[in-house]
Order: sequence, then C-alpha cells, then structure tokens
Amino acid sequence: EVQLLESGGALVQPGGSLRLSCEASGFTFSSYAMGWVRQAPEKGLEWVSVISGRSDIKFDAESVKGRFTISRDTIRNTLYLQMDSLRAEDTAVYYCVKDSRGGITGTISHWGQGTLVTVSS
Amino acid sequence: EIVLTQSPATLSLSPGERATLSCRASQSVSSFFAWYQQRPGQAPRLLIYDVSNRATGIPARFSGSGSGTDFTLTISSLEPEDFAVYYCHHRTRWPYTFGQGTKLEIK
Repeated sequence: EVQLLESGGALVQPGGSLRLSCEASGFTFSSYAMGWVRQAPEKGLEWVSVISGRSDIKFDAESVKGRFTISRDTIRNTLYLQMDSLRAEDTAVYYCVKDSRGGITGTISHWGQGTLVTVSS
Repeated sequence: EIVLTQSPATLSLSPGERATLSCRASQSVSSFFAWYQQRPGQAPRLLIYDVSNRATGIPARFSGSGSGTDFTLTISSLEPEDFAVYYCHHRTRWPYTFGQGTKLEIK
C-alpha cells in the first residue's frame, strides 16, 4: 500500500525558513516523479514543485521560484521541500503527491494527508 | 498559464440524482485532463485521468468526457459519499493548474 507521510509543518514568521519532509513507502520511490501541491485555507489547489524520479527535471511555480527548493533522497525514500523567505501567502496545507510514472506526467496517483504551514507574525 | 473555469460553483442535488459538472480551459489541453474529488477534511483523490479513464477503485457511476477545451464529469446516480468538492486539472505543460472547484452539496 502506498503511503506518503508529511512532516515539518509549523508556525513561522514572515521571512523565515522551513523544511517539509515526505516519507514514502509501499512503492519503488526512485521509479516515480514526486511533487508538492498546496491548498490555502478554504481555497483551491496549487502545484508548488515537482521532481522526476531521477531528479534530473524539476519545475517550480512562479510564485515560489527562487525561494523554494524541491529535492529527494532515494536512500531514505524521502521527498523534501526547503522553503525560504516565507510570506503570508504561503500559508497552506502542503500535500506530498506521487506521480503515476517516473517521468513527470502530472497525473497524481496518490496524495499524503498534508502538513499545515502558517506564516504569521 | 492555462486557466480552468469550473461551473457551477455549487451544485445542490439529492441522492440518486444525476450530477453534471463542467470545466472549460482557456486553451486546448488535448487529452491531458483529469478530475479529482476532495471530501471534507480529506486529501484529494484521483477520479478520472486522461479525460475518460477511471482511476483504480473508482465506481462506474463516475464518467468523464470532452475534448480540447470543454470537459464534463458525470455521476450517474449520487451516493451519500459523493457529496464533496470536485476539481478539474490539466497537465498539458507546466504550470499544471486546477480549476477553482465545484462543491456538490446535498439538497
């Protein structure tokens, strides 16, 4: 059974940093692209970043470019999102998502339960 | 960026009725189109991918259709667990985007 377990969400001040983690199990981690999708309170869904199975291709949303960095550790079967220069508008539940293939297809076959990031002074 | 516009914003129906949800893209997304369901307090889940293919475990009462810029999700006979928010999604090119959602509520 595929499981995606996010952690690292917290309350942080504007301008601060946070690192989210997503521990994956139940599938061959290195064989699938992975990503982060966020949902602001009472709002819709927004892709944040995505990374291919081999880490050779990455895409970031314009809203986070230069501030967020996606990465993955195939030894630890863990996906990361390093979030710097956080802004109030980054407040959201961040979902770890698994693509349906190794290359980036954008079809999300599985979602984690999410971790809440709140940016506020 | 391709913008997806869903209609209606809210749909009020009773169990057993047929639901029709629409999504229009600002430009053609070919067949790179999907629907996701989000129940209250839960993460979204994949319902339909590539316009009309049901994801694993999705009941046959869910069906998708459309092409180019106009797409439809149909639920043939609503069950109590179907009342949720539905999002359309394209993956034609980055940035992938979602529609703003249609809330399907019990009448």
